Amino acid sequence: AQSVTQLDSHVSVSEGTPVLLRCNYSSSYSPSLFWYVQHPNKGLQLLLKYTSAATLVKGINGFEAEFKKSETSFHLTKPSAHMSDAAEYFCVVSDTYNFNKFYFGSGTKLNVKP
Amino acid sequence: GAGVSQTPSNKVTEKGKYVELRCDPISGHTALYWYRQSLGQGPEFLIYFQGTGAADDSGLPNDRFFAVRPEGSVSTLKIQRTERGDSAVYLCASSPLAGANSGANVLTFGAGSRLTVL
Repeated sequence: AQSVTQLDSHVSVSEGTPVLLRCNYSSSYSPSLFWYVQHPNKGLQLLLKYTSAATLVKGINGFEAEFKKSETSFHLTKPSAHMSDAAEYFCVVSDTYNFNKFYFGSGTKLNVKP
Repeated sequence: GAGVSQTPSNKVTEKGKYVELRCDPISGHTALYWYRQSLGQGPEFLIYFQGTGAADDSGLPNDRFFAVRPEGSVSTLKIQRTERGDSAVYLCASSPLAGANSGANVLTFGAGSRLTVL
């Protein structure tokens, strides 16, 4: 069965420093992988997706993620954090046999200090 | 519409009562999903529709939960005999296609309906 593990429940960085949010997945085959962001009192918004094309995926707001099959990882990074990046981030994997079914990680809350 | 609309945004009810949560997806989106997000957790899959039919309802926790999408657009999630453990944010999402791994199955979420069962 598919699963997603987000290794950090909370990450705190200073504005202008790099961001790293870690995600490991479990899947029998090459899955589709996504990162979503959830700002307080707002809906989940897609940041980026990986669907077996380029392993380095660029998303919105300067975020990117790299698919590493050997490490079963899909970590989210950003070179320089902005105050507006403070939110909760979810790593998501698709089901192996049903690409319309998605499993969410437990989320990582990103705090950005001025 | 411009986005996925969910009503009510907040619902407080008493244990044992019946509740309906409504989702109005993006116009033309074939697939519609319901997720449940409990405090401090990621969204948990409940059910998804392809058109009018429930293509996968394996995430519904028990027979108190039921969802319909009679005309292939608006969906209603129905919860009978609510329990305190049902308290959560219920999220609806839609996507344009429910096909294979085409990359088109990106979900657009609504803001959610927060259910509190006293």
